[in-house]
Amino acid sequence: KAGVTQTPRYLIKTRGQQVTLSCSPISGHRSVSWYQQTPGQGLQFLFEYFSETQRNKGNFPGRFSGRQFSNSRSEMNVSTLELGDSALYLCASSPSGTTHLYTFGSGTRLTVV
Amino acid sequence: DAKTTQPNSMESNEEEPVHLPCNHSTISGTDYIHWYRQLPSQGPEYVIHGLTSNVNNRMASLAIAEDRKSSTLILHRATLRDAAVYYCPPARAPPSFGNEKLTFGTGTRLTIIP
Repeated sequence: KAGVTQTPRYLIKTRGQQVTLSCSPISGHRSVSWYQQTPGQGLQFLFEYFSETQRNKGNFPGRFSGRQFSNSRSEMNVSTLELGDSALYLCASSPSGTTHLYTFGSGTRLTVV
Repeated sequence: DAKTTQPNSMESNEEEPVHLPCNHSTISGTDYIHWYRQLPSQGPEYVIHGLTSNVNNRMASLAIAEDRKSSTLILHRATLRDAAVYYCPPARAPPSFGNEKLTFGTGTRLTIIP
């Protein structure tokens, strides 16, 4: 069966711009979680969506937002990009949010210049 | 959030067993112990999880200390494909709707020597 698909794989943006990343979960999975991975901070939880509702949020500024559509696909948006937002952004889908049933995508590598 | 401590790196010879330790002294009584690994250029991949008892699956075994403050992931016969960064993030056991997230530490980079 198809895995978790994240698009685009690579992205280069300029400081001050905004960016939207997309995540298509495994068919039937209703939960999508987003994580940011940087060399300095490692993997950090951004937020989780379940049935179009944000259920949980990590400690990130309001510039980071997301949403989930009725087909469970999710997008995250980062506004007013900063150099420090350069990272690998990973999404994980699971049937209901259960963490031992996570399937991660390969991520979107965002570079802010 | 519970914190975990792991060695930064470990090496093992191919086809030998590997024991990867994790200290999670602040783990809550309702937290599962998970192990995930991240192969180069990929997202993390689930390996195994447990609550109190030792667990086995086709990939590995998980040994959990009686006081749950530490655990060990055991790869019985390492292959080159097992070279990865291994994480042991705790997370709330379901159902805990709205509070199920993985808190990753820095992980252990495992190198397999042919």
